[in-house]
Amino acid sequence: SAVISQKPSRDICQRGTSLTIQCQVDSQVTMMFWYRQQPGQSLTLIATANQGSEATYESGFVIDKFPISRPNLTFSTLTVSNMSPEDSSIYLCSARNTGEETQYFGPGTRLLVL
Amino acid sequence: AQSVSQHNHHVILSEAASLELGCNYSYGGTVNLFWYVQYPGQHLQLLLKYFSGDPLVKGIKGFEAEFIKSKFSFNLRKPSVQWSDTAEYFCAVKPRNAGNMLTFGGGTRLMVKP
Repeated sequence: SAVISQKPSRDICQRGTSLTIQCQVDSQVTMMFWYRQQPGQSLTLIATANQGSEATYESGFVIDKFPISRPNLTFSTLTVSNMSPEDSSIYLCSARNTGEETQYFGPGTRLLVL
Repeated sequence: AQSVSQHNHHVILSEAASLELGCNYSYGGTVNLFWYVQYPGQHLQLLLKYFSGDPLVKGIKGFEAEFIKSKFSFNLRKPSVQWSDTAEYFCAVKPRNAGNMLTFGGGTRLMVKP
């Protein structure tokens, strides 16, 4: 299994600002993902973070709003840009290895935008 | 694209009651199925999974789930719940050998009264 940590665990931000969330995995993993869990709702995949190349975004999510970096096989960042109150959510990092079907999740970053 | 439905959004039970949470998915091909649990203040954890073989799978803490292919269902059960089972439960589906996307149901919030 993979142990995933995220920083910060929570933050309160002003609209118009940006926040970068960090995700660290305790072992090398081939695939990393970023999810959003809006209040009272389920998890929605934002994008797959690809090591050494641009992230693959799901419908409804764009790179300008959610830029993602993945410099190596254990680390990724998600930036929430030009935030509005609608971005208030929990953002979760997830990881899985190719050939394995079980996906592991980080503790999440709880974001409140005022 | 696949979708997942969880019929019960909120369930309240007394201790020792039996639990069954419904999960149905829509996808024409072969899938891997998961139940995740999120205890209050904790991160998402894998409860059990089904890939192939015996359609009745057993997970941690006395939970089990049955895959019924003809009904596209993967219901979660526990014969006797405990107060510590209070949590949110998510069903998730991933098409086998077809992309990376793990799709979640809307979640069921279970409260067990002592």
